[in-house]
Amino acid sequence: NAGVTQTPKFQVLKTGQSMTLQCAQDMNHNSMYWYRQDPGMGLRLIYYSASEGTTDKGEVPNGYNVSRLNKREFSLRLESAAPSQTSVYFCASSNRGPGTEAFFGQGTRLTVV
Amino acid sequence: DQQVKQNSPSLSVQEGRISILNCDYTNSMFDYFLWYKKYPAEGPTFLISISSIKDKNEDGRFTVFLNKSAKHLSLHIVPSQPGDSAVYFCAASTSTSYGKLTFGQGTILTVHP
Repeated sequence: NAGVTQTPKFQVLKTGQSMTLQCAQDMNHNSMYWYRQDPGMGLRLIYYSASEGTTDKGEVPNGYNVSRLNKREFSLRLESAAPSQTSVYFCASSNRGPGTEAFFGQGTRLTVV
Repeated sequence: DQQVKQNSPSLSVQEGRISILNCDYTNSMFDYFLWYKKYPAEGPTFLISISSIKDKNEDGRFTVFLNKSAKHLSLHIVPSQPGDSAVYFCAASTSTSYGKLTFGQGTILTVHP
C-alpha cells in the first residue's frame, strides 16, 4: 500500500527559482495538508484542503501556493524560493471529522542556496 | 505563541525501563491529542491518541494519560526497547479544525541496550 507519496525526495534550488512539490494519496481521504519541519520547531501547517475544491491557509502560508488537483492530489508551489524556505516538507492526509489521525508522506528535503 | 509544548528536547533510558514523554498545551479548545513517532528520513507515523473525554488510553506497551485541568498529557512506554529510539511528537486538534494538527517541538528518545 502506497499511502501518501511525495515527490521529489530531495531538491536544491537557487534563490528566486520556483518549484512544485507533488503529493498523492490512495486512501480516499477527504482532507490533505502541507507541513514544514524546522529544527526545534516541530511541524507547522502551511496550507490545508478540507475537501476537493477547497484550500485554506495554515500557520505559515507566506511564500507558498497550493492546488488541490483532485481528491488524490495536493501540490505545493514555491514561486520564488528564499533561503528561509529551506526545510523538510511533509504532505499528509486524513478523513474529515474529529478524532482522526493524519497519515504522512516520507518528506521532501529542500535546500535553497 | 507555542500552543503545544514539549519541554524536554531529549530523553535517555535503559532498555526494559519506563520512558515518560511529556507535553503541555495552552488552548482549551483542543479536544483530541495524538502522539507521532518519527525515524530519520521518514515521515511521522501515528502511535496513539486520546479524546478529551478520557483520561487514559492504552495500546500494548504505549499508554497516554491526559490531565485536562493541568492541560498536560504524557506518553508512557513500558518496557522500552532500542527500536523505540526516535523523535516523538505530541499533537493536538479541535473537533472543528478539519483534522489540522498543532505539533510540539518533539522529544528525542534514546533507549540504550
